[in-house]
Amino acid sequence: DGGITQSPKYLFRKEGQNVTLSCEQNLNHDAMYWYRQDPGQGLRLIYYSQIVNDFQKGDIAEGYSVSREKKESFPLTVTSAQKNPTAFYLCASSGGPDQPQHFGDGTRLSIL
Amino acid sequence: AQKVTQAQTEISVVEKEDVTLDCVYETRDTTYYLFWYKQPPSGELVFLIRRNSFDEQNEISGRYSWNFQKSTSSFNFTITASQVVDSAVYFCALSEEIMDSNYQLIWGAGTKLIIKP
Repeated sequence: DGGITQSPKYLFRKEGQNVTLSCEQNLNHDAMYWYRQDPGQGLRLIYYSQIVNDFQKGDIAEGYSVSREKKESFPLTVTSAQKNPTAFYLCASSGGPDQPQHFGDGTRLSIL
Repeated sequence: AQKVTQAQTEISVVEKEDVTLDCVYETRDTTYYLFWYKQPPSGELVFLIRRNSFDEQNEISGRYSWNFQKSTSSFNFTITASQVVDSAVYFCALSEEIMDSNYQLIWGAGTKLIIKP
């Protein structure tokens, strides 16, 4: 089945540690997005990519990094510079501005 | 600036009641797209509907219906005969061109819908 796969489902980070969240899609979509959601809040855009080897900062990019080496993959690294990383992270992809974004099941990140 | 407002933070109704979730948007674009998503307690976001700015026809899908009115910049969502399984957070979103064909969604803050048995 076509869709978006995020892994892991749960992730724990130690102080000073970088962690990477995986996002893979087989929908052949050009655009991919990373969002952060805090409890009881809406979605905030971290990074987005419209094409391979190109990505742009969203509203809250500080403390995060991404890469887009393949069309199917858009991993997000939460660096030690992100002092408050505990949140629910959602990855999405889209076939165009008139198309809906399709979401993965999300990754819940917590600090140990 | 583009903006999406969902003024209702939380709505609680008894099962079988009808409920309407409001969405008001602001945009300078003449061509734009509006979306509704559902986020159940499990967390995943489920796409419900897309509407483009040139199609003001209301849409019905089972117990769900959407009322798009450009004159008031609103795109409201009604659930008829609500069920407990409808309990979720519902998000309205507007597609925005940032620059050079780069698009992102502008999200409302969401409305938490609680359906009591």
